[in-house]
Amino acid sequence: QKEVEQDPGPLSVPEGAIVSLNCTYSNSAFQYFMWYRQYSRKGPELLMYTYSSGNKEDGRFTAQVDKSSKYISLFIRDSQPSDSATYLCAMSGPSTGRRALTFGSGTRLQVQP
Amino acid sequence: EAQVTQNPRYLITVTGKKLTVTCSQNMNHEYMSWYRQDPGLGLRQIYYSMNVEVTDKGDVPEGYKVSRKEKRNFPLILESPSPNQTSLYFCASSLQGLTEAFFGQGTRLTVV
Repeated sequence: QKEVEQDPGPLSVPEGAIVSLNCTYSNSAFQYFMWYRQYSRKGPELLMYTYSSGNKEDGRFTAQVDKSSKYISLFIRDSQPSDSATYLCAMSGPSTGRRALTFGSGTRLQVQP
Repeated sequence: EAQVTQNPRYLITVTGKKLTVTCSQNMNHEYMSWYRQDPGLGLRQIYYSMNVEVTDKGDVPEGYKVSRKEKRNFPLILESPSPNQTSLYFCASSLQGLTEAFFGQGTRLTVV
């Protein structure tokens, strides 16, 4: 079983829809949670970064972390065709020791005009 | 402009022929790392470096070498590439390493 599970999609939604992207994880030591967006033939770009549990909002994007359920989500409001990309969740453990992110395998999102 | 630059972007090589993929960042970041991305497996860390002359193995280091002689550069070396190293490679950097703030554009390597 992978440490981080993410539905690969593709997830197809109409423009303007609310999108929900999710990851589950098994390692309770994870404390830092990130969402990256990756366009085709590009490197990942950091969208949201959350420490521990709770919500964080940035424009149309909201990240939620539920450590008790080992479940994180990214919500995209008023989705646009330009949001079409692969979304990767990532997480890491305490700040001491080896610093490495564990990534999900990504969910491909298609927003139809 | 803040960026991580990788070269080359595309490379086709033959088994056993040594190659180097360069990575350079212009943000004075202490932390740099290399990942490979394979379908269904996501991004997996190969090596990372917390500062000059400080490097350590990630999850999949076999068959790779790195060096960090200068803060801005972190080359990835494949001494004897094999077909199972065919992949998409990303270099990343960040100030402290808690998140990977910046990724390069990627190097698509094919070993035949």
